[in-house]
Amino acid sequence: SQQGEEDPQALSIQEGENATMNCSYKTSINNLQWYRQNSGRGLVHLILIRSNEREKHSGRLRVTLDTSKKSSSLLITASRAADTASYFCATPPQGGSEKLVFGKGMKLTVNP
Amino acid sequence: EPEVTQTPSHQVTQMGQEVILRCVPISNHLYFYWYRQILGQKVEFLVSFYNNEISEKSEIFDDQFSVERPDGSNFTLKIRSTKLEDSAMYFCASNPWTVMNTEAFFGQGTRLTVV
Repeated sequence: SQQGEEDPQALSIQEGENATMNCSYKTSINNLQWYRQNSGRGLVHLILIRSNEREKHSGRLRVTLDTSKKSSSLLITASRAADTASYFCATPPQGGSEKLVFGKGMKLTVNP
Repeated sequence: EPEVTQTPSHQVTQMGQEVILRCVPISNHLYFYWYRQILGQKVEFLVSFYNNEISEKSEIFDDQFSVERPDGSNFTLKIRSTKLEDSAMYFCASNPWTVMNTEAFFGQGTRLTVV
């Protein structure tokens, strides 16, 4: 089954604005992880939020998790041009699976 | 900061040829993975490796694929007879523990082009 679909697919904002990305998933999860990918490069882990957590912060990043709605959001505050990248949510399905199931990703462009 | 390293960064190969993609995971990590990303598409799980054996594999990971951890540091993905549709970015990742508890650390990827 598909997990982790980001919304919107692409977002273009001005430097200094906030960017919000949403992720929905279908099955129960242990945790949900957000990753960033600069163009043509590897995935960099941003935040992991566990199923018993509702909100987590890391610097300018804020992640929320609503397990009743099976959704998560990533908020980047005071965006910078360097935040331009693709952002993915990923979940390990419950049941002991070792894999991360990624969404299609969301392309964020921050214009200087 | 420790990182996962992958070589080569780009590999071009003829259809039908064998390729070996190499990875050096973070040294104290226990779980190792290969993922791939076809251009413009999702990152897809291929295989996980723990305690010197495959712990899980996807439908993509058929008999043409194999993984090895030949020594204490390297982790390789071999594709025996490459097809055009194997062209993708291949990512190695490692974890200190299971992804059910910790995030994965990804390498920069190897771009495989099959011609």
